[in-house]
Amino acid sequence: GIQVEQSPPDLILQEGANSTLRCNFSDSVNNLQWFHQNPWGQLINLFYIPSGTKQNGRLSATTVATERYSLLYISSSQTTDSGVYFCAVATNAGGTSYGKLTFGQGTILTVHP
Amino acid sequence: DSGVTQTPKHLITATGQRVTLRCSPRSGDLSVYWYQQSLDQGLQFLIQYYNGEERAKGNILERFSAQQFPDLHSELNLSSLELGDSALYFCASSVDLWAGNYNEQFFGPGTRLTVL
Repeated sequence: GIQVEQSPPDLILQEGANSTLRCNFSDSVNNLQWFHQNPWGQLINLFYIPSGTKQNGRLSATTVATERYSLLYISSSQTTDSGVYFCAVATNAGGTSYGKLTFGQGTILTVHP
Repeated sequence: DSGVTQTPKHLITATGQRVTLRCSPRSGDLSVYWYQQSLDQGLQFLIQYYNGEERAKGNILERFSAQQFPDLHSELNLSSLELGDSALYFCASSVDLWAGNYNEQFFGPGTRLTVL
């Protein structure tokens, strides 16, 4: 099946700093989503971005499907940004995925005041 | 709030028991996905239903089963529970209007299962 690798595994920042999280995937995808899992365990949708670039406030994401990677940018980080960030992809390689998401192992972000 | 609801939020039970987790998808969404998040396995896909029919299976144990009802809500049944089944179980839904139409998935708050 498709492999999803996220880097870095851990990231510690001071409030106000910027960061870039990376997601590499091993096959063509028809769905790519970024999630933030907060300390209460909720998975919050950040971006649905199988290709192209999107921005939402201090967050933006870019997916270069032909090169099989996606980047999540966090600017002017805040303590509330702390948590785990997941990249998840769906592929139809082999023709039978039906949209199931394969998740990376996540990046644990800690933002200190 | 994603619009996907799951009950119960927490469940504590003993080994060997059987439990049922319930999910109501967002209004209009035809696909329901179940995922399991455990410390050792991460987030893994279990099973997908589309408009009442099973569409795809992942790493779902034979002791686990699911169904989607005519009103599109879904239930995940876990039986003969073991300590290792302790995990956070998520339900997600998406529109998925037709085969190959992969849309954004929205996740419920999860059910935290603890098996003692």
